[in-house]
Amino acid sequence: DSGVTQTPKHLITATGQRVTLRCSPRSGDLSVYWYQQSLDQGLQFLIHYYNGEERAKGNILERFSAQQFPDLHSELNLSSLELGDSALYFCASRDPQGRYTFGSGTRLTVV
Amino acid sequence: DQQVKQNSPSLSVQEGRISILNCDYTNSMFDYFLWYKKYPAEGPTFLISISSIKDKNEDGRFTVFLNKSAKHLSLHIVPSQPGDSAVYFCAARSPFYSGGGADGLTFGKGTHLIIQP
Repeated sequence: DSGVTQTPKHLITATGQRVTLRCSPRSGDLSVYWYQQSLDQGLQFLIHYYNGEERAKGNILERFSAQQFPDLHSELNLSSLELGDSALYFCASRDPQGRYTFGSGTRLTVV
Repeated sequence: DQQVKQNSPSLSVQEGRISILNCDYTNSMFDYFLWYKKYPAEGPTFLISISSIKDKNEDGRFTVFLNKSAKHLSLHIVPSQPGDSAVYFCAARSPFYSGGGADGLTFGKGTHLIIQP
């Protein structure tokens, strides 16, 4: 157990739908990062939140959004889903020493 | 535009021999480099890192070498063991707030290391 919790582990949904992925960072970590790993691709940085505030955006589509709540858990919202959104979505938290810890991911399948 | 490249999708090495995984980068702003190991159905786990002010970092069987002039780093695993079979990702970090962008990591596409008995 890495200490970063992601739910659900698997999600199957239809095109056009909306889903929410959830991430709880390690206790004490204020930063949450979201990454997408598509087939045969590396992990693509999506977005970074720090203590409730958005800090940086990477290759995140406009159909996707995220937020971080006062208890520091984060949610990634994916809407108007397309087949190409099928991927593994990872979140990571970072400790003050700069070490990133990843959750085990949510596998999203859009059919 | 891929800023971190791992040009070998897979690598097969005999148990007990040295495994060398390579990574090239293009962004000279990167100041910290990391290697992650990933098993199927799990998230990446941190393996070893190196700051841009160093050229070598060692941790047990794992050594990372950084050649800044060539924008190249490599991970050496000696001796290779069956449990080392996994996908290895090279990642790089920009300094916080530099270039107006991400403090997140930029990953390569990974190299699948297979250790043969």
